[in-house]
Amino acid sequence: GENVEQHPSTLSVQEGDSAVIKCTYSDSASNYFPWYKQELGKRPQLIIDIRSNVGEKKDQRIAVTLNKTAKHFSLHITETQPEDSAVYFCAARDTGRRALTFGSGTRLQVQP
Amino acid sequence: NAGVTQTPKFQVLKTGQSMTLQCAQDMNHNSMYWYRQDPGMGLRLIYYSASEGTTDKGEVPNGYNVSRLNKREFSLRLESAAPSQTSVYFCASWVSGRGTDTQYFGPGTRLTVL
Repeated sequence: GENVEQHPSTLSVQEGDSAVIKCTYSDSASNYFPWYKQELGKRPQLIIDIRSNVGEKKDQRIAVTLNKTAKHFSLHITETQPEDSAVYFCAARDTGRRALTFGSGTRLQVQP
Repeated sequence: NAGVTQTPKFQVLKTGQSMTLQCAQDMNHNSMYWYRQDPGMGLRLIYYSASEGTTDKGEVPNGYNVSRLNKREFSLRLESAAPSQTSVYFCASWVSGRGTDTQYFGPGTRLTVL
């Protein structure tokens, strides 16, 4: 099955700085890569996703890049704000199970 | 449109007790999932149902059973709870096709097994 590794596990930045979270996946057949944000005590919420036929996708301050050859994808948050503080999860669609396999999460803290 | 709902929100069990976690979605999605979330380990797939009438094991199925009662409802049962099953359980449903590919999560059930 799919295996997703996520780094770093914790990330602290100053307000206004950029944050980058990286993930690698193992199944070359995976074709869908979402990113979720989870605030304390809440459910994961989809913030952006990318498909394997696209190299980059942007939505305001967040962007995701995908390198299929290297089997890694990254989340970029620019001009970080305190409300960006949360745990972020990457995921890849397991084509065998038709389900998502998640990374272990990155706790992002934005210092005001 | 309530999306994905779960009951109960919180539950405390003693070792050996049984219980069923309920999940329902009103979005007419075919696929439904159960995940558990432990600190520092992300979400791990327990069971999933690709369509009404089918269920399949995920990454961590031991100690659990599921029932896809109809298209809306997907329940998770712990027959004999163990402390290792203390976790937050999330149900999810998935819509795919016509340019859409999104997994929606329920609010979660926080389960403690003593």
